[in-house]
Amino acid sequence: DAGVIQSPRHEVTEMGQEVTLRCKPISGHNSLFWYRQTMMRGLELLIYFNNNVPIDDSGMPEDRFSAKMPNASFSTLKIQPSEPRDSAVYFCASSLASYNEQFFGPGTRLTVL
Amino acid sequence: TQLLEQSPQFLSIQEGENLTVYCNSSSVFSSLQWYRQEPGEGPVLLVTVVTGGEVKKLKRLTFQFGDARKDSSLHITAAQPGDTGLYLCAEFPSNTGKLIFGQGTTLQVKP
Repeated sequence: DAGVIQSPRHEVTEMGQEVTLRCKPISGHNSLFWYRQTMMRGLELLIYFNNNVPIDDSGMPEDRFSAKMPNASFSTLKIQPSEPRDSAVYFCASSLASYNEQFFGPGTRLTVL
Repeated sequence: TQLLEQSPQFLSIQEGENLTVYCNSSSVFSSLQWYRQEPGEGPVLLVTVVTGGEVKKLKRLTFQFGDARKDSSLHITAAQPGDTGLYLCAEFPSNTGKLIFGQGTTLQVKP
């Protein structure tokens, strides 16, 4: 079975541009999580969904960040406008339920110039 | 917000050596998870410990949960280059589905 799929794997963009990161969770998983990883702050939870509904978005840095989950097999994380400090690796993870083992995707490495 | 402190931050050893990394908190853990993250990949769950004093073994890896459930350790026997990676501890604060991670220990095992 395929694991969590993320695209793109690498993204380089210029400050001010819109960036959209995509995630396909493992089929049958009801919880989906977006994380950001940097050297300075480590791995931080941005937002998570249960059954396509956002449950906790307290980790979203500011209004420039938004996340959607239109159906059980797809989620997006959008940054508009992007800034250099948004440069990081963004991970998507999914689990059967919010307290179960989380399976992480390979991440998207974002560089904002 | 409960903070997870991991030590050491970095560890570089020779193949065959033993090592221990630690995860501590000022508060009691409901349960604790250990993950390993290899370069260019996402974290992968190694083990979950739930009961104070619990010891779990995964081949050459031994995980221990403190009696008071405020600390945990991961011991690797006869480390191999394949053990190289970032070791993260993580916890679900009570009554939330959020997983909080420590900063991690970066381990390098040289051949």
